[in-house]
Amino acid sequence: QQQVKQSPQSLIVQKGGISIINCAYENTAFDYFPWYQQFPGKGPALLIAIRPDVSEKKEGRFTISFNKSAKQFSLHIMDSQPGDSATYFCAAKASGSRLTFGEGTQLTVNP
Amino acid sequence: DTAVSQTPKYLVTQMGNDKSIKCEQNLGHDTMYWYKQDSKKFLKIMFSYNNKELIINETVPNRFSPKSPDKAHLNLHINSLELGDSAVYFCASSQDATNNQPQHFGDGTRLSIL
Repeated sequence: QQQVKQSPQSLIVQKGGISIINCAYENTAFDYFPWYQQFPGKGPALLIAIRPDVSEKKEGRFTISFNKSAKQFSLHIMDSQPGDSATYFCAAKASGSRLTFGEGTQLTVNP
Repeated sequence: DTAVSQTPKYLVTQMGNDKSIKCEQNLGHDTMYWYKQDSKKFLKIMFSYNNKELIINETVPNRFSPKSPDKAHLNLHINSLELGDSAVYFCASSQDATNNQPQHFGDGTRLSIL
């Protein structure tokens, strides 16, 4: 059973544009929502994470928006750059349980 | 100095063979994981160890056997390899299993079964 649904599967954005990736979850026990970035031939790396007591977290060009009532969260990449081209995974976890990943979004930023 | 290192990076072998993948972390973490990433890039946890004790054992064929000789190492042995085992296997570690600590991943082992 897929507990975290991610969309879109792939995304193409022009340099300087905004990339938006959305995730929805079902398990209300989830209390940690990280985003991972994966480049080809590399392992996923933590990009940014949020807990449900805040609605937004920003780190540089990356922002997570969190809507607890809708059980949705999203990643916004401002001023997208070709170097941001990668696969992005949302994930969710309840304390003491396993990390559940979304299906991934292949982001391509065209120069 | 690589935080989570796994060897080999590539593994090509025949169906029916037995192979092992090694993982080491130098972060001083208590918890280590094995993930499988399929051709569609979906990441699924297989096992997790905390201080050498198995804490997560997903529905994985018993041909897969993890071994943790100490908390810095988590190896994965696979018996009687099948075509469906072809995937990228990632090792990861985190400070502990109970709190929501970030997981640090290795660069993966690409396993190809001929």
